[in-house]
Amino acid sequence: GALVYQYPRRTICKSGTSMRMECQAVGFQATSVAWYRQSPQKTFELIALSTVNSAIKYEQNFTQEKFPISHPNLSFSSMTVLNAYLEDRGLYLCGARERGRQDTQYFGPGTRLLVL
Amino acid sequence: GDSVTQTEGLVTLTEGLPVMLNCTYQTIYSNPFLFWYVQHLNESPRLLLKSFTDNKRTEHQGFHATLHKSSSSFHLQKSSAQLSDSALYYCALSGTSSGQKLVFGQGTILKVYL
Repeated sequence: GALVYQYPRRTICKSGTSMRMECQAVGFQATSVAWYRQSPQKTFELIALSTVNSAIKYEQNFTQEKFPISHPNLSFSSMTVLNAYLEDRGLYLCGARERGRQDTQYFGPGTRLLVL
Repeated sequence: GDSVTQTEGLVTLTEGLPVMLNCTYQTIYSNPFLFWYVQHLNESPRLLLKSFTDNKRTEHQGFHATLHKSSSSFHLQKSSAQLSDSALYYCALSGTSSGQKLVFGQGTILKVYL
């Protein structure tokens, strides 16, 4: 079956430091990966959509300078939170879409980021 | 931009009673895709239902929903709640056929009691 792994599951970083998180698709080819953030007491917000062989599209309020993303192949994507501050805390979800499955997105368990 | 509005906050039910979680949406797209995701404690959201066909009922695991474009609604229903249905439910919208760029509602917590 299709699975999405995220690493780490939980991390703590000091304010002003950076933190990299990874997303791995297993059992299918992830032609596109969406990164979402769920801030405390809020719903999920799309940060960016990354499609292999295409430019990464960032949503309003999110930039490449703050959340650089790498999507080198059909099974792996990573995102870094640069200069993390309190407002960056939350659960970061990776959603991967399978080639040929236009309307199905598999979510990983998320990386929970706590900023001190 | 696109937006999704759900039944706010917490819905509590006694086991065996019917479930109804409201979802309405706003979108510029004429053929939106609507989704219901369920998130249990400490787990990631899992797809429960999806639809893009107007007035067609879609069912899965005892839950059902019908997309009504006339009222921009995609309410989630179940005839009889079970304890295991207790979870956080998200209604989500995609304006594209890819279903990748999702706009989530704020989520509704469903708690089912004996």
